[in-house]
Amino acid sequence: KNQVEQSPQSLIILEGKNCTLQCNYTVSPFSNLRWYKQDTGRGPVSLTIMTFSENTKSNGRYTATLDADTKQSSLHITASQLSDSASYICVVSATPNAGKSTFGDGTTLTVKP
Amino acid sequence: DVKVTQSSRYLVKRTGEKVFLECVQDMDHENMFWYRQDPGLGLRLIYFSYDVKMKEKGDIPEGYSVSREKKERFSLILESASTNQTSMYLCASSLTEYGYTFGSGTRLTVV
Repeated sequence: KNQVEQSPQSLIILEGKNCTLQCNYTVSPFSNLRWYKQDTGRGPVSLTIMTFSENTKSNGRYTATLDADTKQSSLHITASQLSDSASYICVVSATPNAGKSTFGDGTTLTVKP
Repeated sequence: DVKVTQSSRYLVKRTGEKVFLECVQDMDHENMFWYRQDPGLGLRLIYFSYDVKMKEKGDIPEGYSVSREKKERFSLILESASTNQTSMYLCASSLTEYGYTFGSGTRLTVV
């Protein structure tokens, strides 16, 4: 069964600090891995998309890494801001089931002043 | 930018009512999806569609149906709303497997 596990479940950090969120998956065969940010009461917004051949991708202060051998991904947030407070969701797609993905339960990040 | 628009942000319905949740996308995407999101359960797929008039069941289709008469519009129907269908409903669309664009969500409360 395809699974995506995220850790930690929740995290509290001080503004300006860095943090790393983890995503482990057992989806096979692997097609792509995406990280989304979801603000409270809103829909998820895409941060990064990585395919098998990519092992790092950045989007501003967000950097995602992918190790396809160990089936692990991380999302690193640099110099956190209050607006980074949100849920971060890891999503993995398998081929050939294009369009049908496995979602992690998310990590809730709280950035405090 | 792709836009996925859900017709209502908040909705309150009575038990037994027939409820329609509408979703429209403006980028000619083939794939459209309906998810519900509940605390501690993440996003769960209700139904999805690969093309007009095509639909496939997701992981939790019971109590729901869908309609896709036009490519840009995907409707979720609660035939007889129940309190356990109180949830956040998210619509998404995608051109390929490379990423979804989500709508802002509809918070449905069934009383």
